[in-house]
Amino acid sequence: RKEVEQDPGPFNVPEGATVAFNCTYSNSASQSFFWYRQDCRKEPKLLMSVYSSGNEDGRFTAQLNRASQYISLLIRDSKLSDSATYLCVVNLSGTYKYIFGTGTRLKVLA
Amino acid sequence: DTGVSQDPRHKITKRGQNVTFRCDPISEHNRLYWYRQTLGQGPEFLTYFQNEAQLEKSRLLSDRFSAERPKGSFSTLEIQRTEQGDSAMYLCASSLGASLETQYFGPGTRLLVL
Repeated sequence: RKEVEQDPGPFNVPEGATVAFNCTYSNSASQSFFWYRQDCRKEPKLLMSVYSSGNEDGRFTAQLNRASQYISLLIRDSKLSDSATYLCVVNLSGTYKYIFGTGTRLKVLA
Repeated sequence: DTGVSQDPRHKITKRGQNVTFRCDPISEHNRLYWYRQTLGQGPEFLTYFQNEAQLEKSRLLSDRFSAERPKGSFSTLEIQRTEQGDSAMYLCASSLGASLETQYFGPGTRLLVL
């Protein structure tokens, strides 16, 4: 089983739609969680950290479910510019190792 | 530009040759990471430096790979006796080291081994 699993997609959604991605992790010792965004042929950039209580940043909402070992990302009112690959990242407690998922590809269609 | 820089941006080499990549992190960042990314995959952790100390190294990293950060500033990643399977994008990232840290990635070095 992979340490971090994501549905690779692509998710094709119309502009204005709400879309949600899940990411599961296998190690219960995972302590820090992030969503990164990666545009085609570009480097990853932090979208948001994921806090235990959940957090929101504009149209983006991240949730953590430790019991079921998954994190989620919700994007409301999708824009064309949201088209990208969204990478789930997990850090294990006591290590400096950050584990990236394969990414979920989102295409927002006009 | 005060972001993370990497050099070269592209490298084509023949199998069996040695290659070296350089990463210059954001100046006040004491943490530096190397990753490898292949098509359709997320970045794969290779190694981590805190200042000049290499504190973590992936078990996937063979003996042909070595990294240094001699003065706690720039870092180099060397691959000896390259193989075709080494073809990938090599990404460097740096962070300040605060809790829930943000990693800032460089543009990467794309390696093609022929």
